[in-house]
Amino acid sequence: SQQGEEDPQALSIQEGENATMNCSYKTSINNLQWYRQNSGRGLVHLILIRSNEREKHSGRLRVTLDTSKKSSSLLITASRAADTASYFCATLLQSYQLTFGKGTKLSVIP
Amino acid sequence: DGGITQSPKYLFRKEGQNVTLSCEQNLNHDAMYWYRQDPGQGLRLIYYSQIVNDFQKGDIAEGYSVSREKKESFPLTVTSAQKNPTAFYLCASSHKGDTEAFFGQGTRLTVV
Repeated sequence: SQQGEEDPQALSIQEGENATMNCSYKTSINNLQWYRQNSGRGLVHLILIRSNEREKHSGRLRVTLDTSKKSSSLLITASRAADTASYFCATLLQSYQLTFGKGTKLSVIP
Repeated sequence: DGGITQSPKYLFRKEGQNVTLSCEQNLNHDAMYWYRQDPGQGLRLIYYSQIVNDFQKGDIAEGYSVSREKKESFPLTVTSAQKNPTAFYLCASSHKGDTEAFFGQGTRLTVV
């Protein structure tokens, strides 16, 4: 079974708007990571947040982590058409398994 | 250039045949992973390896086998026991397994 579950499954917004994606997971983690995948390509790492951190920023990305609720969110501010992609959360378990959710497909309309 | 390379990009297999997917990295990473991606199901972990000569089953290891004889290489064999092998296969590596993972560009396997 998959550890992480992203919500929503698909999201369509206008360019310039903010996009928020959520991830829930089931068991204790070492860290949580967000990745991006353009269609038919490999994944690209965006940001990593450790279990003792609550918020992290990288450029237009903001990630939060709530270990009590076993959830994380990824915010992309001022979205661009080039942000169109699928976004995945990944959790690193105690056993060093890196497991992924099903992803959120983001479409940014110019 | 440092990176992780998967080959081939496209692979066709006849039913009943074994096939091996290549994954090579020159990032000096200890951990390597194999994932399978089907439409709408995200990435599912097949096998992972933390060090040379050691590997662990993931969620969907049945019908697959791996080896880790060298740090740089983690080939995946899709055996005839895998009932539905048509999928997009992704290899990844990371330093010590607790940092960001780097992915190859994937191999698309089709059974004909």
